[in-house]
Amino acid sequence: NAGVMQNPRHLVRRRGQEARLRCSPMKGHSHVYWYRQLPEEGLKFMVYLQKENIIDESGMPKERFSAEFPKEGPSILRIQQVVRGDSAAYFCASSPGQGDVGEQFFGPGTRLTVL
Amino acid sequence: SQQGEEDPQALSIQEGENATMNCSYKTSINNLQWYRQNSGRGLVHLILIRSNEREKHSGRLRVTLDTSKKSSSLLITASRAADTASYFCATDEGAQKLVFGQGTRLTINP
Repeated sequence: NAGVMQNPRHLVRRRGQEARLRCSPMKGHSHVYWYRQLPEEGLKFMVYLQKENIIDESGMPKERFSAEFPKEGPSILRIQQVVRGDSAAYFCASSPGQGDVGEQFFGPGTRLTVL
Repeated sequence: SQQGEEDPQALSIQEGENATMNCSYKTSINNLQWYRQNSGRGLVHLILIRSNEREKHSGRLRVTLDTSKKSSSLLITASRAADTASYFCATDEGAQKLVFGQGTRLTINP
């Protein structure tokens, strides 16, 4: 049973370009979460999605950031017109999503560098 | 808002010694979890303790939870070099998301 998969593992973009980060949850998991981690800091929640629905996007910046989890295919975190401050590690996690918040299974992360 | 706060921020001990890390939080929780992160990697779930539990064990790990003080501790006994990592506590906020602390960077010296 493959774990959470994220790609690419490393992404370099120039200021003003778009970044697309992909996440495939664990088999059987219908809940996906995106977190951002700045160097030497903990993870900060960005968005929580179920298939075709955004449940909680309270941690997403209001502009340039969007997320989706379509009926088919991976979840996508999209950052438009990237700036240097977007440089960070972006982690995706998944869970079966039943009951209270339980264990979340994390992917290896995508490290975004904005030049 | 950042809920969990770990203490100390960094800890360096000799192999074989015990390591204790603490976490404090601000609001009521359903459960508290501890995760480990090796340098440049994703997070690995270690243990979950529910709000009605006071202590939980898993191998060399022991977690306590004091809801009256809004604090938790993680004890790693008989530390090994492979335990070198950052350790994070995470709480729920009554919603389907985790709120992480800043983490404790643990170094085990051979």
